[in-house]
Amino acid sequence: KNQVEQSPQSLIILEGKNCTLQCNYTVSPFSNLRWYKQDTGRGPVSLTIMTFSENTKSNGRYTATLDADTKQSSLHITASQLSDSASYICVVPNNNDMRFGAGTRLTVKP
Amino acid sequence: EAGVAQSPRYKIIEKRQSVAFWCNPISGHATLYWYQQILGQGPKLLIQFQNNGVVDDSQLPKDRFSAERLKGVDSTLKIQPAKLEDSAVYLCASSLGGPSSYNEQFFGPGTRLTVL
Repeated sequence: KNQVEQSPQSLIILEGKNCTLQCNYTVSPFSNLRWYKQDTGRGPVSLTIMTFSENTKSNGRYTATLDADTKQSSLHITASQLSDSASYICVVPNNNDMRFGAGTRLTVKP
Repeated sequence: EAGVAQSPRYKIIEKRQSVAFWCNPISGHATLYWYQQILGQGPKLLIQFQNNGVVDDSQLPKDRFSAERLKGVDSTLKIQPAKLEDSAVYLCASSLGGPSSYNEQFFGPGTRLTVL
């Protein structure tokens, strides 16, 4: 209960291709869902925060979707770049606790 | 605005030694978090402060870990004595409000601890 699971665990794509990362959560009650990008050796950086009423939210080449009914979110990356290589972490607050997924490790190859 | 500052960036110690990490959050941020991130895993919350009070320390191994935020600004996290399994990156983060608000959480660069 109150878990966040991400898939795939890792992903390798070619530069310029698109990809979609998945996040399933069981956290309840739900207030918001966050996607973070974490470069190697750095702290996570927020990409987007989605509230219950938001279905889609974009930040440049990143588009997050949320289905609060099925408790699923996805992060779509368009026209990937080498700099997109990082871990992408899904986070869902649970009262005063932030529930982190284990992340998806994305590698973009030239 | 300046980001969350942490020091040191790297620390190598032997088991049973003590170590302390320092964090200076973004100015005006009331909420401060310490996380432990083991390689290949997502961050795990150790302790959360609201100003200088502890909101949640349920996952802090209190027999060896301690943290304080005496003046409600910067914070220190201490491990005494360290164990091999404490090898991890220790992340500090801050936000204007708590997790259930929509305030963005800003992370510092982390301190990578290696216990030999």
